Amino acid sequence: GAVVSQHPSRVICKSGTSVKIECRSLDFQATTMFWYRQFPKQSLMLMATSNEGSKATYEQGVEKDKFLINHASLTLSTLTVTSAHPEDSSFYICSASILAGSYEDEQFFGPGTRLTVL
Amino acid sequence: AQSVTQLGSHVSVSEGALVLLRCNYSSSVPPYLFWYVQYPNQGLQLLLKYTTGATLVKGINGFEAEFKKSETSFHLTKPSAHMSDAAEYFCAVSGQNFNKFYFGSGTKLNVKP
Repeated sequence: GAVVSQHPSRVICKSGTSVKIECRSLDFQATTMFWYRQFPKQSLMLMATSNEGSKATYEQGVEKDKFLINHASLTLSTLTVTSAHPEDSSFYICSASILAGSYEDEQFFGPGTRLTVL
Repeated sequence: AQSVTQLGSHVSVSEGALVLLRCNYSSSVPPYLFWYVQYPNQGLQLLLKYTTGATLVKGINGFEAEFKKSETSFHLTKPSAHMSDAAEYFCAVSGQNFNKFYFGSGTKLNVKP
């Protein structure tokens, strides 16, 4: 199957700093990438959907100025957590799809990034 | 609006026993339904999905699930558990635009020797 990578796998930062997480589709071109957040013992919650070359679509309640998403190419999307605070500590997972909107489509998930804000 | 409920955050079975992981959903539109598996430190892997057609869906690793509209359920089963099945399993629902997935909280499956 298609492979999606995330970097870094773990990051610890101080409160007030910004952190960038990369999501790459390694062997396919992704028309759409998705960013999820997972709290301990809770569901994955969709944060935003991004299409290459256009602005991301954020879910209700997600601060677009805090969680900056850039989808500069068909193989790379980045999530930047700006001015991070301890409540932003979470597990962030990205996924990528080739034919978004088609019943033939499938989302391929990255391994996730554990963010800890001190 | 769509949501998913997975009953039982932890399920423990003996090797060779039946695996049953429960998933109920609510959806205002005909749903697409999915089961994903997550092994430690790995991404989510698709086990199976229901979109249209036959309501009994067979997936990888011997798993299958049945879409029961009247019960709004999509329970995952496997006749005989294997040690390698120990992982966390997520049920998910999407609308027919496929773009928005709503996940259950996950069920950790433990397989005892």
